[in-house]
Amino acid sequence: DTEVTQTPKHLVMGMTNKKSLKCEQHMGHRAMYWYKQKAKKPPELMFVYSYEKLSINESVPSRFSPECPNSSLLNLHLHALQPEDSALYLCASSQDYISYGYTFGSGTRLTVV
Amino acid sequence: SQQGEEDPQALSIQEGENATMNCSYKTSINNLQWYRQNSGRGLVHLILIRSNEREKHSGRLRVTLDTSKKSSSLLITASRAADTASYFCATTGANNLFFGTGTRLTVIP
Repeated sequence: DTEVTQTPKHLVMGMTNKKSLKCEQHMGHRAMYWYKQKAKKPPELMFVYSYEKLSINESVPSRFSPECPNSSLLNLHLHALQPEDSALYLCASSQDYISYGYTFGSGTRLTVV
Repeated sequence: SQQGEEDPQALSIQEGENATMNCSYKTSINNLQWYRQNSGRGLVHLILIRSNEREKHSGRLRVTLDTSKKSSSLLITASRAADTASYFCATTGANNLFFGTGTRLTVIP
């Protein structure tokens, strides 16, 4: 298995809703990432997990809460989002976070209404 | 936390022509990677070049790296309509991967 699987592919949520994005990989990669991408912009790093521990939080608002239940799964819990949080959310994994290329999922297109 | 810039921002060529896009970055790096993204979906890893390498090939792709100028280039030879996509350079430094601004390539059949 050489893929990163993200669910759902599309999500529409209200500003008072709580939802979660899910990401799964079975390549044995020990680093996993959440990126946010706005239209016509490059991906921006949100969080990095290394060996299931949060190692980097790029000053992301607390309404985004990451979780890494095990080495294959990564979740992003969403609560009280704003319309400006609408974006493509990308999950990625790599063998480590320095020396190897990243494998990206196809993303979740999030719309906050 | 974007540290790379690419040019041109957009490039339109005829099928069969070569496409060259450039990336400049600001700080020291461990390696530099190139990714392709189709229609705002997931990114696909194309090639990785380490800081001690100067040139690398993969199929129709050729990447160069000049660490003294903090720049890299991606050459796609004999382009195809299917190469139409956005291309991003990305650098790994102390901690993680930062993406450049991207080049939108359109290959006209």
